[in-house]
Amino acid sequence: DTGVSQDPRHKITKRGQNVTFRCDPISEHNRLYWYRQTLGQGPEFLTYFQNEAQLEKSRLLSDRFSAERPKGSFSTLEIQRTEQGDSAMYLCASSLQGALHHEQYFGPGTRLTVT
Amino acid sequence: GESVGLHLPTLSVQEGDNSIINCAYSNSASDYFIWYKQESGKGPQFIIDIRSNMDKRQGQRVTVLLNKTVKHLSLQIAATQPGDSAVYFCAEINTGNQFYFGTGTSLTVIP
Repeated sequence: DTGVSQDPRHKITKRGQNVTFRCDPISEHNRLYWYRQTLGQGPEFLTYFQNEAQLEKSRLLSDRFSAERPKGSFSTLEIQRTEQGDSAMYLCASSLQGALHHEQYFGPGTRLTVT
Repeated sequence: GESVGLHLPTLSVQEGDNSIINCAYSNSASDYFIWYKQESGKGPQFIIDIRSNMDKRQGQRVTVLLNKTVKHLSLQIAATQPGDSAVYFCAEINTGNQFYFGTGTSLTVIP
């Protein structure tokens, strides 16, 4: 257990529905990252927060995806009008400001299945 | 876009033997290279990293080698143990602090 928690661990939804995932980082970490991972592939960077500010967004993050970190603590990732191609594991990671970007601690992920 | 790939998707080794997992990358401007281990049902776990100005770095039972001439990265695990069974990913961080993970290699340790 790295100290990063994600909820839910599994989500099954029908195509067209909206889903929201939550990530609780390690409490003193002010950087938070979201990744998407498909089977057999490495994680793909989606977005990154420092405190409540969203500093980077990948081109993979279409306009159906939105992430927030309103108080600089937990974060949510919402996918609107889900598509079957959104089925993947969604990983959250956190790190300390000043730490090298690779010093990230990953949560267990939320596995999304869109039917 | 970036391209980081692994040569072999699966690797089986006998317990106690050394393991070598290879990775090729395409972006010569990357600052850091990292190896992660991912066990089933868990997120990736940092193993070891290497800066682009180094060619070798050692950790506990692990060694990472970087050959910038041929854009090749390898992870060597000494005296492989059953607990080392997992999927291993290499990743590169470019100057824009973007992470690019390669396709994983599944390591199976045979007791």
